[in-house]
Amino acid sequence: GAVVSQHPSWVICKSGTSVKIECRSLDFQATTMFWYRQFPKQSLMLMATSNEGSKATYEQGVEKDKFLINHASLTLSTLTVTSAHPEDSSFYICSARDDSWIEAFFGQGTRLTVV
Amino acid sequence: GNSVTQMEGPVTLSEEAFLTINCTYTATGYPSLFWYVQYPGEGLQLLLKATKADDKGSNKGFEATYRKETTSFHLEKGSVQVSDSAVYFCALTGSGNTGKLIFGQGTTLQVKP
Repeated sequence: GAVVSQHPSWVICKSGTSVKIECRSLDFQATTMFWYRQFPKQSLMLMATSNEGSKATYEQGVEKDKFLINHASLTLSTLTVTSAHPEDSSFYICSARDDSWIEAFFGQGTRLTVV
Repeated sequence: GNSVTQMEGPVTLSEEAFLTINCTYTATGYPSLFWYVQYPGEGLQLLLKATKADDKGSNKGFEATYRKETTSFHLEKGSVQVSDSAVYFCALTGSGNTGKLIFGQGTTLQVKP
């Protein structure tokens, strides 16, 4: 399968700071990338869909000004959590696909802890 | 709207036992169906998929058949191993090939030696 790399795998930051998470497709061009959030022992909730070169589409209830998504190239999307608070602590997972594929491939996830 | 319902866990089995994890779905049109596995502290890995009715997805001894008449996609394995311990997610993508996945709540499987 295709490889998606997410970085960092874990990060601890102070309240009020911003954190950037990168998602890279290593061996294919990802026309679409997805960002998910997973709370402990719960399922994945889609936050937003990003298409290369256009604005991300956010799911209902997700603050676009807080979770900034940039998909500047066909191999890289970034999620920036701005002015982070402890309630933003979570596991963030990206996935990427080429639009001709049925499935998307997932990164290994980023554990964010805001203290 | 589209949704996926999985059996609640955790499921605890002894090694070499038979596994079934139930998954049913609600969707308009003709969704594609997936099973993903998540090992502790990791992201998701695609386990198997089926794109149309009566398709059987299989991988690593796991199988699931797309049953349109019962709107189900149950995951089965004839003989589980300790290394199969993980969280299993059933998911679907709707018609239109948007790639947007809707997940079930996940089922934790624990296999004891």
